[in-house]
Amino acid sequence: KAGVTQTPRYLIKTRGQQVTLSCSPISGHRSVSWYQQTPGQGLQFLFEYFSETQRNKGNFPGRFSGRQFSNSRSEMNVSTLELGDSALYLCASSLAGTLQETQYFGPGTRLLVL
Amino acid sequence: GENVGLHLPTLSVQEGDNSIINCAYSNSASDYFIWYKQESGKGPQFIIDIRSNMDKRQGQRVTVLLNKTVKHLSLQIAATQPGDSAVYFCAENWRGDAGGTSYGKLTFGQGTILTVHP
Repeated sequence: KAGVTQTPRYLIKTRGQQVTLSCSPISGHRSVSWYQQTPGQGLQFLFEYFSETQRNKGNFPGRFSGRQFSNSRSEMNVSTLELGDSALYLCASSLAGTLQETQYFGPGTRLLVL
Repeated sequence: GENVGLHLPTLSVQEGDNSIINCAYSNSASDYFIWYKQESGKGPQFIIDIRSNMDKRQGQRVTVLLNKTVKHLSLQIAATQPGDSAVYFCAENWRGDAGGTSYGKLTFGQGTILTVHP
């Protein structure tokens, strides 16, 4: 079974631009979670989607948004990019995102904001 | 790497030694714990998990111990190999406020850098 895939793997943007990242979960998984990983803050939860609905959200500004499609693929969008948004963005999938369920991570998208 | 700025704890061992990586968690309501391994340039890779109704679980070359009294989790790796060199994270999932389920949210520890010398 193929793992979680993320595209693109690398991205360079300038301040003020916006960016869209894509995540395809493991086949059969309906929950997709997004995380931001930085040297200063470590791994932090952004949001989670299940059946095209955002069920949970971390403590990030409204510039960070996401959506999920009927095939469970998910995208996240960051608008008005800031230098501090430079990070590795990871998505993880699980069957239903419930308690005591393992999340499997993709390789991440490395975003550099100049 | 992604974690350099956090001044992560480090553990250096010789090939063949046993390694123990520790993690303190803060939320006594956490129900589920996972250990992940992250190699440079890759996403976290699942190693082993444990539920709060257990205190020990074993996998292939790995054992996780959970001490709920002191909110402590450890990962033991037997006969450590150079390929085990990576950053190791513990993560917890808890039921959330007001008894609800914290859907899809894992809270991660800062990580530990394990270096295995041949």
